Amino acid sequence: EIVLTQSPGTLSLSPGERATLSCRASQSVSSSYLAWYQQKPGQAPRLLIYGASSRATGIPDRFSGSGSGTDFTLTISRLEPEDFAVYYCQHYGSSPVTFGPGTKVDIK
Amino acid sequence: QVQLVQSGAEVKKPGASVKVSCKASGYTFTGYYIHWVRQAPGQGLEWMGWINPYSGGTNYAQKFQGWVTMTRDTSISTAYMELSRLRSDDTAVYYCARAPIQLSLFDYWGQGTLVTVSS
Repeated sequence: EIVLTQSPGTLSLSPGERATLSCRASQSVSSSYLAWYQQKPGQAPRLLIYGASSRATGIPDRFSGSGSGTDFTLTISRLEPEDFAVYYCQHYGSSPVTFGPGTKVDIK
Repeated sequence: QVQLVQSGAEVKKPGASVKVSCKASGYTFTGYYIHWVRQAPGQGLEWMGWINPYSGGTNYAQKFQGWVTMTRDTSISTAYMELSRLRSDDTAVYYCARAPIQLSLFDYWGQGTLVTVSS
């Protein structure tokens, strides 16, 4: 089972600032089968990034993903008020599917 | 448009079973897998398994084997997740999510169903 670790646990930033979230895997993620989801309180998760760097349909270009192997990054170039949420990484290349514990981006 | 609509909140006693439904619309139900993911209050996401609506085949996370049953009714484009022998730590929001065949990437999610287990 691939264990995903996310850092930091909480990121306190102001609107307009850049957010950099990290996801590290316990073993190499095959074919960059790494996704990122955003979850707001009381809502289901929403797919942001798949294949480590491809944006899902309708996702603004301020969201970008990068990385390969065991180290991946989600970057939000300029935080908008609606971006304050919890972000989860997920590997989907093999079974079992696992998620990271999440990074909460909150308003400073 | 693609929609997954889940059944309403449930309150169950310890030891009971719960069955949550997930009705799909806006796409060919048998063309995508349905996965189930749960989230305990204030916690992260936990994958439970998937069902292939076309064949009825399933794959459960090891933790849930012998304890969860996923089924479907193709005539009404609905998937079901039944969890038995409920305990208080099964209290969670249960989500269904759609994924392409053989690729556990969740592009559409249901709204979630809160299951509360309490005596």
